[in-house]
Amino acid sequence: RKEVEQDPGPFNVPEGATVAFNCTYSNSASQSFFWYRQDCRKEPKLLMSVYSSGNEDGRFTAQLNRASQYISLLIRDSKLSDSATYLCVVSLGGGNKLTFGTGTQLKVEL
Amino acid sequence: EPEVTQTPSHQVTQMGQEVILRCVPISNHLYFYWYRQILGQKVEFLVSFYNNEISEKSEIFDDQFSVERPDGSNFTLKIRSTKLEDSAMYFCASRYIAGGPDTQYFGPGTRLTVL
Repeated sequence: RKEVEQDPGPFNVPEGATVAFNCTYSNSASQSFFWYRQDCRKEPKLLMSVYSSGNEDGRFTAQLNRASQYISLLIRDSKLSDSATYLCVVSLGGGNKLTFGTGTQLKVEL
Repeated sequence: EPEVTQTPSHQVTQMGQEVILRCVPISNHLYFYWYRQILGQKVEFLVSFYNNEISEKSEIFDDQFSVERPDGSNFTLKIRSTKLEDSAMYFCASRYIAGGPDTQYFGPGTRLTVL
């Protein structure tokens, strides 16, 4: 089983649509969870950390289900500029390495 | 806003040559990392460095690889004898340790091409 598993996509959606990405992780000892965004041939950039209570940042909402080892990201009212690859990332915490999923590609179209 | 910087942005080398990739982490950060991403694949951890020593390394980080913090600002990755399969984007990252989210900030990467 992959350490972090994501649907690779691509997800092609019209501008204004709501889109959801899912991710599962295999190591139940994981303590820190993130969504990073990666544009083509660029570095990963932190989109948001994910907390057990769920958290929201503008149009972005992240959820964590520790029992199911499942993480989600919801993007509302998608913009052309949201087109990127979204990386699900987990860590044991405390400065330990980040473990990346393969990423889900999103293309927002007019 | 402080950021991680990396040089060069692109390095082309012949198989068997040594390369040194350079990184300047964010100034008050204490944990440093190297990751790589082969074209079309996921980002993979190579090594982490704290308190002037390696704290963790992956299976990829074999004897051909080494890291160093030669002064108070630079963090380098050396590949002694490059192979074709070392061609990838190499990202440096850093993290501030005391409290706060367990967040790593990435540099723009060095694209290494081994011919």
